[in-house]
Amino acid sequence: DQQVKQNSPSLSVQEGRISILNCDYTNSMFDYFLWYKKYPAEGPTFLISISSIKDKNEDGRFTVFLNKSAKHLSLHIVPSQPGDSAVYFCAASVQGAQKLVFGQGTRLTINP
Amino acid sequence: DAGITQSPRHKVTETGTPVTLRCHQTENHRYMYWYRQDPGHGLRLIHYSYGVKDTDKGEVSDGYSVSRSKTEDFLLTLESATSSQTSVYFCAITLKGGFGNTIYFGEGSWLTVV
Repeated sequence: DQQVKQNSPSLSVQEGRISILNCDYTNSMFDYFLWYKKYPAEGPTFLISISSIKDKNEDGRFTVFLNKSAKHLSLHIVPSQPGDSAVYFCAASVQGAQKLVFGQGTRLTINP
Repeated sequence: DAGITQSPRHKVTETGTPVTLRCHQTENHRYMYWYRQDPGHGLRLIHYSYGVKDTDKGEVSDGYSVSRSKTEDFLLTLESATSSQTSVYFCAITLKGGFGNTIYFGEGSWLTVV
């Protein structure tokens, strides 16, 4: 049972445009959500997070949106840059829990 | 930088042999994790530890065991490696943020079972 799903295995975006990565979850107990970025041959790195008391969190070019009623979150990258090409994982947890549940990942390619 | 060191970083082993991966941290983190990453599956939790000698299973723990005899080291052992355990293994620690817990990963250990 996949509790966190990223239904798009890959996404290709032109440099300078907006990249939108999507993530859906099924467990209504999740109340903390994170995005990670992973380059080849490196460990995943934390990018941005959001708690369920918010519907938006922004950090520079990265914004995460949370729609609790739809059990959906998205990551917006504006403007997209070549260095953003990577695999992006969304993750979710329950407050106080020490474990994260990850989605399958989306490979983002930024084209010049 | 999460202050995590994984070893070995790359290993090729034969089916049926035991393999131990080591995760070493220097910042006295209480929680430590082992994840594996496979195409189409994302990152899946194998085992985690919440203190010395305190460990628990994750979602894909079959075929794996762990030990934590001191705070700084968390060992993952494949008792008898199989080809299905060919994967990238990531150790991780938890840092508590303003609301939730954020996991930080090491650089990974690439394991090939032939």
